[in-house]
Amino acid sequence: DAGVTQSPTHLIKTRGQQVTLRCSPKSGHDTVSWYQQALGQGPQFIFQYYEEEERQRGNFPDRFSGHQFPNYSSELNVNALLLGDSALYLCASSFETGGLESPLHFGNGTRLTVT
Amino acid sequence: AQSVSQHNHHVILSEAASLELGCNYSYGGTVNLFWYVQYPGQHLQLLLKYFSGDPLVKGIKGFEAEFIKSKFSFNLRKPSVQWSDTAEYFCAVNARRDDKIIFGKGTRLHILP
Repeated sequence: DAGVTQSPTHLIKTRGQQVTLRCSPKSGHDTVSWYQQALGQGPQFIFQYYEEEERQRGNFPDRFSGHQFPNYSSELNVNALLLGDSALYLCASSFETGGLESPLHFGNGTRLTVT
Repeated sequence: AQSVSQHNHHVILSEAASLELGCNYSYGGTVNLFWYVQYPGQHLQLLLKYFSGDPLVKGIKGFEAEFIKSKFSFNLRKPSVQWSDTAEYFCAVNARRDDKIIFGKGTRLHILP
């Protein structure tokens, strides 16, 4: 059991469309990070949310946006989808005040295919 | 900016062989270092981590890693691998002043029974 749950598991969209991916963190965790993992690559950091605000952002365009809700769950939105957005999107949660002792816990990811 | 380089993309070993997966990072400041593993069909999970202290850290399932600051390296080792170690292994780093964790491209390890 991953503890972190993501939905949906698979998604197929057309270029130009918009998509929303969802994540529920592990129980007791309050921080959510999103990663994009393209085929044959390691996860790339998109952004991190804590206390319902984007705390840090990786090198991704503004088409990628997110949200964190009061119950710590989170959404990742991608607008104007490009073929290159096809990837596995991973959500990871951690416990902020756990500091260095709180490693990332990953979900199984959402496989997005853009045609 | 931080970056992580994993030397081997695909490694094939027989059971009982010794394993060493290379990882180098680039960042001039103090870092935290991690190895994550992804078994087939499962989520990424933490194998071991280094924050400070003894540069030789031990993780789950008999894995260990050594932090060599002068070489900016954090290589993963296991003296005798098992078929169940077949997985993809990711080295990762984050700067102490930073929150994001940067991952390498991963090494796919295949153990022959």
